[in-house]
Amino acid sequence: AQKITQTQPGMFVQEKEAVTLDCTYDTSDPSYGLFWYKQPSSGEMIFLIYQGSYDQQNATEGRYSLNFQKARKSANLVISASQLGDSAMYFCAMREENQAGTALIFGKGTTLSVSS
Amino acid sequence: DGGITQSPKYLFRKEGQNVTLSCEQNLNHDAMYWYRQDPGQGLRLIYYSQIVNDFQKGDIAEGYSVSREKKESFPLTVTSAQKNPTAFYLCASSIWGVDRFMNTEAFFGQGTRLTVV
Repeated sequence: AQKITQTQPGMFVQEKEAVTLDCTYDTSDPSYGLFWYKQPSSGEMIFLIYQGSYDQQNATEGRYSLNFQKARKSANLVISASQLGDSAMYFCAMREENQAGTALIFGKGTTLSVSS
Repeated sequence: DGGITQSPKYLFRKEGQNVTLSCEQNLNHDAMYWYRQDPGQGLRLIYYSQIVNDFQKGDIAEGYSVSREKKESFPLTVTSAQKNPTAFYLCASSIWGVDRFMNTEAFFGQGTRLTVV
């Protein structure tokens, strides 16, 4: 079973509009972390935002916010006021700890296209 | 500057050859990771290592091997047993393992694009 599910292969939004990218996760570990990364066409991975499982408040970083609903196991990324430079692939990832160490598991990603 | 360096950026391999991808970090991170990314796909975990001389298989370890002889280095060998090695390979590192740093992100290299010719 997938541990990180991103159900939107592609999303389209116009400049200055807000967009929500969905992410659901599956874990039985009470301690975990959730991340969003952006990958432009150049291939680099850019960290956007982090949410810890024990964090009481939803994380925010500039135009990025994370809508964390723990009971539903969802961690959706909200991008406000979209810009052309936001066009990229976006990945949701979960840090999960096990006896062997700490692994970072990724979803399949969502391609965001921003138009003018 | 501190960071994580992958080399080479592009690599071509003939069928049946082993090839080694380099990953070096000077961030003093304990944990290192290798991922494979196919076009339009997510990152799949190949191997990861929490400490020197120890590493764990990820979801798609078959046909790959790694070593962790030094904290700074985590090379990945793509062996001839890997039937479809053409992909983009990303290396990452993190400081996780120390509780107070669990809210930090993993850092990635620029990637190596491997093509079998």
